[in-house]
Amino acid sequence: ILNVEQSPQSLHVQEGDSTNFTCSFPSSNFYALHWYRWETAKSPEALFVMTLNGDEKKKGRISATLNTKEGYSYLYIKGSQPEDSATYLCAPPNAGNMLTFGGGTRLMVKP
Amino acid sequence: DVKVTQSSRYLVKRTGEKVFLECVQDMDHENMFWYRQDPGLGLRLIYFSYDVKMKEKGDIPEGYSVSREKKERFSLILESASTNQTSMYLCASSSGPETQYFGPGTRLLVL
Repeated sequence: ILNVEQSPQSLHVQEGDSTNFTCSFPSSNFYALHWYRWETAKSPEALFVMTLNGDEKKKGRISATLNTKEGYSYLYIKGSQPEDSATYLCAPPNAGNMLTFGGGTRLMVKP
Repeated sequence: DVKVTQSSRYLVKRTGEKVFLECVQDMDHENMFWYRQDPGLGLRLIYFSYDVKMKEKGDIPEGYSVSREKKERFSLILESASTNQTSMYLCASSSGPETQYFGPGTRLLVL
């Protein structure tokens, strides 16, 4: 089982604040990293799939970076809005290409 | 549009009952997965299937079994439900080692 850690476990910010959180994963035998957003009462939804060291992906106000050599990825949200409130999950595939999910970061944005 | 459906959103069962959770996908995906989600633990893989009648144990298969008689349907079975199986259960499907598409989840309470 891969050891995937996300921090912080939860985060409260004010509307308009920018925020970021971390996903740490084993750097050996890296294949890819998936980011998902899981809003309450909805299904987890894919945000990004990142494969290359130094990769940066962007979707609206959300962006992510990847460092495969040191085994971490950052997710940034610029100017947080209440609709960004969700749990953000990262998941690298394991040796069998099955995703191993971290514990998630629960973001709450106060209006 | 991609669609994964689960038979129930909420379920209440008694200890010792046999419980069936059904998942159906309409994307002709080869791979299907069952996860459970508990606070602070992220998504943990129970079982997955990469083809009809094929199944593989995930990280926490104890107390569960699965059935995949048709490509679009993957069932999770709790042979004798116990209180420690109270959880949120999520089904997902994918084509190869790519993005997984999730159902809305079933919140199971075992009394």
